[in-house]
Amino acid sequence: GAVVSQHPSRVICKSGTSVKIECRSLDFQATTMFWYRQFPKQSLMLMATSNEGSKATYEQGVEKDKFLINHASLTLSTLTVTSAHPEDSSFYICSASGQGGYGYTFGSGTRLTVV
Amino acid sequence: DAKTTQPTSMDCAEGRAANLPCNHSTISGNEYVYWYRQIHSQGPQYIIHGLKNNETNEMASLIITEDRKSSTLILPHATLRDTAVYYCIVSRSPGGGADGLTFGKGTHLIIQP
Repeated sequence: GAVVSQHPSRVICKSGTSVKIECRSLDFQATTMFWYRQFPKQSLMLMATSNEGSKATYEQGVEKDKFLINHASLTLSTLTVTSAHPEDSSFYICSASGQGGYGYTFGSGTRLTVV
Repeated sequence: DAKTTQPTSMDCAEGRAANLPCNHSTISGNEYVYWYRQIHSQGPQYIIHGLKNNETNEMASLIITEDRKSSTLILPHATLRDTAVYYCIVSRSPGGGADGLTFGKGTHLIIQP
């Protein structure tokens, strides 16, 4: 079946630094990848949609200069949280589209803690 | 995408069938009903989806009413590992589309030993 690998699973960083999260589709080509954020005891919120080779589309209220998304190939999308602050601490989850008809495949998530 | 309504939480005894309801009264004709679940601190897992007909796979069954305004996810023999938050989502994209999913609050299903 379709597998999406997300890396790292956990990261702790200092306030003001940047963190990169990778999302890879292992056995299929993902034309579109999505990035979600989930705060404790809340549901997933879509942050942005990335298409291979083009600029990402951000949801309202998500700062594109803070959350940099790159989708340089059909199997890799990255999310970089720039100048991270404690309020950016959250669970970040990617998902990929491309298998057609079998639902979206999600990564296992990245727990970001900014101290 | 149409909005869905689910109970906040449900309990089910281990070994019994878990029936999770979902209302989606404003669903459009071209929208699918998806079910995902999220076990604590993991990414969501796809369970099943359908358009009009009832569907069954190795994980669950999906029963959609004739008017498509509600559906029920059935886990036939619940185990402790089925404890999770279950999300019912309505979306036009059949898994290969360009739209992300809109997650509601879901149902926290707790399987009791």
